[in-house]
Amino acid sequence: GAVVSQHPSRVICKSGTSVKIECRSLDFQATTMFWYRQFPKQSLMLMATSNEGSKATYEQGVEKDKFLINHASLTLSTLTVTSAHPEDSSFYICSALERGGGTDTQYFGPGTRLTVL
Amino acid sequence: AQSVTQLDSQVPVFEEAPVELRCNYSSSVSVYLFWYVQYPNQGLQLLLKYLSGSTLVKGINGFEAEFNKSQTSFHLRKPSVHISDTAEYFCAVSDLGAQKLVFGQGTRLTINP
Repeated sequence: GAVVSQHPSRVICKSGTSVKIECRSLDFQATTMFWYRQFPKQSLMLMATSNEGSKATYEQGVEKDKFLINHASLTLSTLTVTSAHPEDSSFYICSALERGGGTDTQYFGPGTRLTVL
Repeated sequence: AQSVTQLDSQVPVFEEAPVELRCNYSSSVSVYLFWYVQYPNQGLQLLLKYLSGSTLVKGINGFEAEFNKSQTSFHLRKPSVHISDTAEYFCAVSDLGAQKLVFGQGTRLTINP
């Protein structure tokens, strides 16, 4: 199946700093990628939809100025958590949409665990 | 709007026993249905998906699921589980564009020896 990578897998930062997370589709091109957030023992919550070459679409309640998304190429989307605070600590997961034959499937990255001290 | 309900938050079973993880959905339009598995501290791996056609869908690792439109269900089954199947399982639904996935709350499957 299709492979999606994320980097870094873990990051610890101080409060007030910014953190960038990369999401790459390794063996297919993805014009659309998604960013999710997962709290411990909970389900995934969609944060935003990242579209190559255009602005991201954010879900209600997600601060677009805090969670900056850039989808500069067909295989790379980045999520930057700006001025991170402890409440931003979470597991962030991206997915990439593979299109083909009339069926679309999201393939997920391994996730990035962010800890803000 | 779509929603997904996974009826069991935890399911403990013994190794080599059969298992069924239940999923019900609601939607006013036709949908795609998915099951994903998440191992500890990892992302989600696609187990199987229903898009159209045969209502019985076979996936990886010996799992299968059956789409039942009248009951709006998409239960996941495996006839004989292994210790390695211990994980969190998520049912998800999307509209026919598959642009947005709506996830259920997840079911933690624990296999006991």
